[in-house]
Amino acid sequence: AQRVTQPEKLLSVFKGAPVELKCNYSYSGSPELFWYVQYSRQRLQLLLRHISRESIKGFTADLNKGETSFHLKKPFAQEEDSAMYYCALSGLGTGRRALTFGSGTRLQVQP
Amino acid sequence: EPEVTQTPSHQVTQMGQEVILRCVPISNHLYFYWYRQILGQKVEFLVSFYNNEISEKSEIFDDQFSVERPDGSNFTLKIRSTKLEDSAMYFCASTAGGALMEGYTFGSGTRLTVV
Repeated sequence: AQRVTQPEKLLSVFKGAPVELKCNYSYSGSPELFWYVQYSRQRLQLLLRHISRESIKGFTADLNKGETSFHLKKPFAQEEDSAMYYCALSGLGTGRRALTFGSGTRLQVQP
Repeated sequence: EPEVTQTPSHQVTQMGQEVILRCVPISNHLYFYWYRQILGQKVEFLVSFYNNEISEKSEIFDDQFSVERPDGSNFTLKIRSTKLEDSAMYFCASTAGGALMEGYTFGSGTRLTVV
């Protein structure tokens, strides 16, 4: 069975502070990991995926297979980063396309 | 930018009634999905659909649920005989191809309230 755990329901930081949103997963095969973001009153949208190793809006995430983690980081938080963040997993190369989501972390960036 | 459109945005129905949730995926996408999120809980996969048939479904997607692509543009989720616990936000999504690399494009959701 696959599982995604986001231990923090809420993370509150001040503008300019570093941010780390935690994500741990459980999966027996090769995982494909994503971060999705939902800004207030907007739809879920893809933020980044581990396989492309990109940085979007200053966010990065590195897959650590040893620790089974895919934490989302940003060195300096901005107020516009306030949103709900979801970590999600699928099985790489399995042909399955269903995503397993974590329960989400609400990021509040205070001025 | 192309969007996935869902209607209605909010539907209230009585327990035991049938509801149909509608979605218009992005026109050149080939894979379609339904997810739901009960208030305060995780986003959960229900079903994926490709080439006019279900390609995957979760244990949530039982005989009460069905999906259809009736006319080549709409993608519908039908819930027969709704129960109180079906109250949730239902999200439709689509992807262009088999790989997940481009990520899902989600609709803005339909909030279903069963009373």
